[in-house]
Amino acid sequence: GAVVSQHPSWVICKSGTSVKIECRSLDFQATTMFWYRQFPKQSLMLMATSNEGSKATYEQGVEKDKFLINHASLTLSTLTVTSAHPEDSSFYICSARGSGSGSYNEQFFGPGTRLTVL
Amino acid sequence: QKEVEQNSGPLSVPEGAIASLNCTYSDRGSQSFFWYRQYSGKSPELIMFIYSNGDKEDGRFTAQLNKASQYVSLLIRDSQPSDSATYLCAVNKAGGFKTIFGAGTRLFVKA
Repeated sequence: GAVVSQHPSWVICKSGTSVKIECRSLDFQATTMFWYRQFPKQSLMLMATSNEGSKATYEQGVEKDKFLINHASLTLSTLTVTSAHPEDSSFYICSARGSGSGSYNEQFFGPGTRLTVL
Repeated sequence: QKEVEQNSGPLSVPEGAIASLNCTYSDRGSQSFFWYRQYSGKSPELIMFIYSNGDKEDGRFTAQLNKASQYVSLLIRDSQPSDSATYLCAVNKAGGFKTIFGAGTRLFVKA
């Protein structure tokens, strides 16, 4: 399957700081990338969908000014958590989807980034 | 009604048995269906996808799709303790753009 990387794999920061998480598709062009958040023992929650070169579409209840998403190229999307607070501590996972022939719109997930805000 | 429903479990099966995981969906126009496995503390990994009615087999895994009943299942034969994980059912809605994930079923395979 296709490979998606995320960096960093974990980060600890102080309350009020901003944290940037990178998501890269390593061996395919990702026309669409998704950002999810998962709290312990809970299901995946889709935060936003981004298409290369256009503004991200945020799910209801997700603050677009707090979670900044940039999908600058077909292989890179970034999520910036601005002015992070302890309640933002979570497991953030990106996924990527290509659009080549034979694709059934499956998503390939990155390994996730565990964010802890002190 | 949730768009994709799964029994949260846990589903417990003995080693070597068949584990049967079920999922129903509400959008009759849904086109593609996926099963992901997620180990604790890890991100989901794609196991199988299916888009036609019937069965699709890959090793110990068989996905079954019944569009008339809006039902998709995953069978795991010869279950192993390493299969213990949460299994997520995902459905591509009509139009193919948005994927909806179920909440997942926790599977425990007892040695």
